[in-house]
Amino acid sequence: QVQLQESGPGRVKPSETLSLTCTVSGGSISSDYWSWIRQPPGKGLEWIGYVSYTGSTNYNPSLKSRVTMSVDTSKNQISLRLNSVTAADTAVYYCARVVLVRNRFDPWGQGTLVTVSS
Amino acid sequence: DIQMTQSPSSLSASVGDRVTITCRASQSISNYLNWYQQKPGKAPKLLIFAASSLQSGSPSRFSGSGSGTDFTLTIRGLQPEDFATYYCQQSYNTPLTFGGGTKVEVK
Repeated sequence: QVQLQESGPGRVKPSETLSLTCTVSGGSISSDYWSWIRQPPGKGLEWIGYVSYTGSTNYNPSLKSRVTMSVDTSKNQISLRLNSVTAADTAVYYCARVVLVRNRFDPWGQGTLVTVSS
Repeated sequence: DIQMTQSPSSLSASVGDRVTITCRASQSISNYLNWYQQKPGKAPKLLIFAASSLQSGSPSRFSGSGSGTDFTLTIRGLQPEDFATYYCQQSYNTPLTFGGGTKVEVK
């Protein structure tokens, strides 16, 4: 059973770069697509984008200029970088597998809270 | 972008009730609609995909219907573990978008 675990700094300063890693266990990342989704405290869900096992990407246009996603198949990891962060980027960040049949997210990692604050 | 609008934003219900949540898309999305359940402090969990297909492991009291722009999630015989927030998500095209959520609370 595939499991996902996000990791990274819990606090990032404004204007700096947010960097997170999602480690996949119980399966290989080399056959699927992987997404990042975020949720500001008390608010709804926002899709950030997805990356394939080959490294091809599709980003939300609202974040596209600041986002980079990549995969490391040797480590079974997916990474997210979001630059020039502001307080509006404070959120719980989730990674999730994208099941390409109907582009559904399953399963999800437990999420990690990132606070943008000086 | 396709906008997803859920109603109501919250509702109060009792154990055993039948609960209906509505999701409307800003354009036709055929049946490219998924539903998730989220409990406080936890990640969302896939309940239903393709508007009406029950995800493996999801209880049969959950059902989905709809096509085009209007969709419904129904819970028949609400259980204590069903008090949570529910989100719809369109998978018709990118950017993939979610509804604002419906919180099901104890009456």
